[in-house]
Amino acid sequence: GAVVSQHPSRVICKSGTSVKIECRSLDFQATTMFWYRQFPKQSLMLMATSNEGSKATYEQGVEKDKFLINHASLTLSTLTVTSAHPEDSSFYICSAIGQGAEAFFGQGTRLTVV
Amino acid sequence: DAKTTQPPSMDCAEGRAANLPCNHSTISGNEYVYWYRQIHSQGPQYIIHGLKNNETNEMASLIITEDRKSSTLILPHATLRDTAVYYCIVRVAGGNQGGKLIFGQGTELSVKP
Repeated sequence: GAVVSQHPSRVICKSGTSVKIECRSLDFQATTMFWYRQFPKQSLMLMATSNEGSKATYEQGVEKDKFLINHASLTLSTLTVTSAHPEDSSFYICSAIGQGAEAFFGQGTRLTVV
Repeated sequence: DAKTTQPPSMDCAEGRAANLPCNHSTISGNEYVYWYRQIHSQGPQYIIHGLKNNETNEMASLIITEDRKSSTLILPHATLRDTAVYYCIVRVAGGNQGGKLIFGQGTELSVKP
C-alpha cells in the first residue's frame, strides 16, 4: 500500500512551548489529510480535515488556534501544537487520501508535555 | 459519531478463522464499509473495503449482507501477529476528497496459541 511518513515518532517538550508534527505522503499526492488524537485505551478522535491549499476544517471542540494545521503541498501537512500543556500529551496520527478510495495512516507521534 | 457498532473484544485460536462482525444499520447508499486494524502504539493499517459485493484480498475477506446493514471481516488463518484492535468504518469514498473516517471503539481481537 501507499506510504505515509510521520515525523517525529516521539517528542518531549516543556509546557508552554510549541511542537510541529509533519505528515508526508511519500508515493502519492494527498489531496486530503486527516489529523487524529488518541488517548490511552481509547479510539482515534478526528481533530481536523485538511485539504491542499485551503484552510483546515476542525471538528467541534477542537481549538483551531491551538492546533494549527497547514497543508501547503500535495505531499505535506503539518500540525503545530501551540503553547502545549500536559493535557495535550497524546498520540497524534495523520492520514492521507489520494485519488483512490483508501486512506493510509502515518505511524503516529507520541507527544509528552512535561 | 461513529455509525458502526462492534463487540468490544473477541478471542480466536491461532490457525483458526477469525470472524469479526460489524453493524451499520444506518449506512447510506453511497457509503462504503472499510476495515482497519491498529496494533498497539502504531497507526491504523488498511485491510479491505467494499460497497455491496463481497471482497477478498491477501489479508482478509469482507462479507456484506444483502441489505448492507451488517458485515463480517474474516481472517482465514489467524496468527499471533493478527492480535490488534479492528475498526469497521462507513465512509463516502471516491472523488478528490471522499468523506471523513470516523472511528468507533473497535473490536480488540486476541489470537491465542
